[in-house]
Amino acid sequence: DTGVSQDPRHKITKRGQNVTFRCDPISEHNRLYWYRQTLGQGPEFLTYFQNEAQLEKSRLLSDRFSAERPKGSFSTLEIQRTEQGDSAMYLCASSLGSAGGSIGELFFGEGSRLTVL
Amino acid sequence: TQLLEQSPQFLSIQEGENLTVYCNSSSVFSSLQWYRQEPGEGPVLLVTVVTGGEVKKLKRLTFQFGDARKDSSLHITAAQPGDTGLYLCAGRGSGYALNFGKGTSLLVTP
Repeated sequence: DTGVSQDPRHKITKRGQNVTFRCDPISEHNRLYWYRQTLGQGPEFLTYFQNEAQLEKSRLLSDRFSAERPKGSFSTLEIQRTEQGDSAMYLCASSLGSAGGSIGELFFGEGSRLTVL
Repeated sequence: TQLLEQSPQFLSIQEGENLTVYCNSSSVFSSLQWYRQEPGEGPVLLVTVVTGGEVKKLKRLTFQFGDARKDSSLHITAAQPGDTGLYLCAGRGSGYALNFGKGTSLLVTP
C-alpha cells in the first residue's frame, strides 16, 4: 500500500452533469475525510467517516453532495447537478484513530481536480 | 467552525533569510498541526503541538504553541528554495472535523 489514492485525477464536465470521485485510503486507516480546496486557499472540510459511519458533514455542503463509505474501506463523493462554483480540487485523507481521540496524522491523496464548464 | 487565521498570506524571500508565519484563533484547541503542501500534491504533516507553550524543532523549522493554546507560530531559519510551498495550520474543535487555515504561501528564491 503506497498511500491514499484518488480517481480520477482530473475531471472536466458540463454544468448540470453528475460526477463521482473515488478515494482508496491506507488500508488499516479507520478515519476518512473529504476536503475541497480552491487555488491559493486551505482545504475546506466537507465530511468525515469513522469506519463506515458518516459522523460529520459540513453545514456548507449542499444537498447536491453525498458521500459514502459502504464497507469502511474506499469512499465515494458524488456531486449532482454540478455548478461552475463546484470547480475545485477534491482531497481525500485518511488517518488511524488513536486512543483519547487525538487528531493523529492525516495522509492526503493527490486530489481530484474538477472543472465545470 | 473554529476559525484559524494565518498571516502573512504571501511571503517571498531570498535564500538564507529567516521568516515567521502565524496561526491565530479566538478558540482554544487541544492540539494544532502544521502541514506543508506543494503544487499538485496533498498536504503533508510537519508537526503536532499539544501542550500550551510547547516548542518543537524540526531541523531548521521551529514550531511554538501559545500558552493559551489559541495560536501557533512557525519559524524557518536560513530558508532554502526547497522550503517553498503552502504552509497550513489545522486544528480540531469540539467535533470531528480538522479545520485548516487559508495558509501562507512561501516562495524562496535562490
